[in-house]
Amino acid sequence: DGGITQSPKYLFRKEGQNVTLSCEQNLNHDAMYWYRQDPGQGLRLIYYSQIVNDFQKGDIAEGYSVSREKKESFPLTVTSAQKNPTAFYLCASSIWRTDNYGYTFGSGTRLTVV
Amino acid sequence: LAKTTQPISMDSYEGQEVNITCSHNNIATNDYITWYQQFPSQGPRFIIQGYKTKVTNEVASLFIPADRKSSTLSLPRVSLSDTAVYYCLVGDPALSNTGKLIFGQGTTLQVKP
Repeated sequence: DGGITQSPKYLFRKEGQNVTLSCEQNLNHDAMYWYRQDPGQGLRLIYYSQIVNDFQKGDIAEGYSVSREKKESFPLTVTSAQKNPTAFYLCASSIWRTDNYGYTFGSGTRLTVV
Repeated sequence: LAKTTQPISMDSYEGQEVNITCSHNNIATNDYITWYQQFPSQGPRFIIQGYKTKVTNEVASLFIPADRKSSTLSLPRVSLSDTAVYYCLVGDPALSNTGKLIFGQGTTLQVKP
């Protein structure tokens, strides 16, 4: 079955470290997204990519970086510049359609700073 | 972008029908209305989408009045497993890959035994 795989499910980061969250999809979707979710809050967009080798900042891109070298992969790096990285991170993908948003989400990565 | 307003939380009991209403006064002609469901520590998943009148699938029904300024998600005979956060999204599907869709706080539905 097609879907989105995020890994790891849980991640612990020490102060000052960079960490990379993996997101892979086999849905042949063009667009991919990273969201951050804090307890009791909605989803906030970090970065999105419409095509390979191109990506745009979302609402809260500071302290994060991404790459899109392959259609299937959209890794997110949480840098030491992100002062409050503890959160639930969700990756999603979508395909352009006129009648359906077509968003599919991964199962998330919970990042904790220790 | 059409802003949406929905209740922060709702309580229900097993076996009851639950209706969650979403207001979207500034909905545009090309906008569709979509509902997602999110369980704790999981990603949201698609429930239902509609443009006007009524849409029904195996999970829920979506009622959209003629003016389309609001919509109601109806969950028949809820069970404990329906406890989740429900998000109402309004937007043009043709713009979905531009990051323009906004997931607000959603409605937290608590189903009690």
